[in-house]
Amino acid sequence: DAGVTQSPTHLIKTRGQQVTLRCSPKSGHDTVSWYQQALGQGPQFIFQYYEEEERQRGNFPDRFSGHQFPNYSSELNVNALLLGDSALYLCASSLDLTGYTGELFFGEGSRLTVL
Amino acid sequence: GQNIDQPTEMTATEGAIVQINCTYQTSGFNGLFWYQQHAGEAPTFLSYNVLDGLEEKGRFSSFLSRSKGYSYLLLKELQMKDSASYLCAVILRGSTLGRLYFGRGTQLTVWP
Repeated sequence: DAGVTQSPTHLIKTRGQQVTLRCSPKSGHDTVSWYQQALGQGPQFIFQYYEEEERQRGNFPDRFSGHQFPNYSSELNVNALLLGDSALYLCASSLDLTGYTGELFFGEGSRLTVL
Repeated sequence: GQNIDQPTEMTATEGAIVQINCTYQTSGFNGLFWYQQHAGEAPTFLSYNVLDGLEEKGRFSSFLSRSKGYSYLLLKELQMKDSASYLCAVILRGSTLGRLYFGRGTQLTVWP
């Protein structure tokens, strides 16, 4: 059973460009959450998708947007890249159950470097 | 906002015991997770505490005091492979599992 898979694993962009990151959730999971992890910091919640809708959003600007497809996979888009967007972007999948105390499964992440 | 605090770095020797503390100030606390993250890898689940007390799972134990806003992760019989970042994360009441608030992580280095 494949876990959470993300692509690409590494990428380099320049300021002002746009980037799309992709995530396939663990089999059987219907909810995808995206996190940004800057070097030496803990993951920060960007947003969560369920039933192809953005359900919750953290404190990130509108340059960060996403999408969820009918097969539950998801994309994270970042427009007008800034140097400060350089980070590891983590995708996490789970089941949509409030207070569910099982595991939140993370992918290996996409390491974005903005030059 | 939510405030979750843990030490930045800790060191210990192989075979020893180490305790990593986490304090939190949040609105509507529901439970607390500990994750392990090796460099360049995904965070992996270690434990979840929702009630006060100690949860033991092999060499790892986690403790929670809701009244004090405090948790710790206890690692026994340390091994070199335990060198990693340990992340404390809180889930709030009414929130789904995917919405966690993380501390900055404690980088543990285990020396031979």
